[in-house]
Amino acid sequence: GESVGLHLPTLSVQEGDNSIINCAYSNSASDYFIWYKQESGKGPQFIIDIRSNMDKRQGQRVTVLLNKTVKHLSLQIAATQPGDSAVYFCAEKRFQGAQKLVFGQGTRLTINP
Amino acid sequence: GAGVSQSPRYKVAKRGQDVALRCDPISGHVSLFWYQQALGQGPEFLTYFQNEAQLDKSGLPSDRFFAERPEGSVSTLKIQRTQQEDSAVYLCASSRDRLRNEKLFFGSGTQLSVL
Repeated sequence: GESVGLHLPTLSVQEGDNSIINCAYSNSASDYFIWYKQESGKGPQFIIDIRSNMDKRQGQRVTVLLNKTVKHLSLQIAATQPGDSAVYFCAEKRFQGAQKLVFGQGTRLTINP
Repeated sequence: GAGVSQSPRYKVAKRGQDVALRCDPISGHVSLFWYQQALGQGPEFLTYFQNEAQLDKSGLPSDRFFAERPEGSVSTLKIQRTQQEDSAVYLCASSRDRLRNEKLFFGSGTQLSVL
């Protein structure tokens, strides 16, 4: 079975609010994590990544938090905009030197006006 | 700048037909990946190339699936004797360097429908 999964398959938020998308993983040896955004009819688009030696990384309006103790990853989107509506995937590399990414099932984020 | 380009964008095949899907990675990218994405699911790894060498094909679901990258640039994913369960979006991704840049850049995919 898939070890990278998401707690909620759908998330609906009001425009302007902050969004938090969660992801659980089971492999403690995973050393690299990445979030992708996928809009309808398009390929996944890179948002932000984090290595296992970090707890937090910030980008433009996005923050990724990594809690290795409970094997949990989250993506925070500040001041959500209509253009943020998409499916969000977390993915991991399961060991140092691994090339392939293992994706979770995804969370659909819907922005309400 | 050019991203990862895939063609065709859509492909309809009759069951039993062979298909070939093309991927043009970002120029200079060493690594190339193929993923399969079923409706409502996350992408599933199929195979990986470093230049022209196919280093991992553990995700190919059967021997009907074959991928090549003969000159270390363009890649083709071929599916022989297509079955209905092969219907999915096939995504290609590339990355610059397996050591320094681990981000994968994805194309828009080829949506394959097998009737």
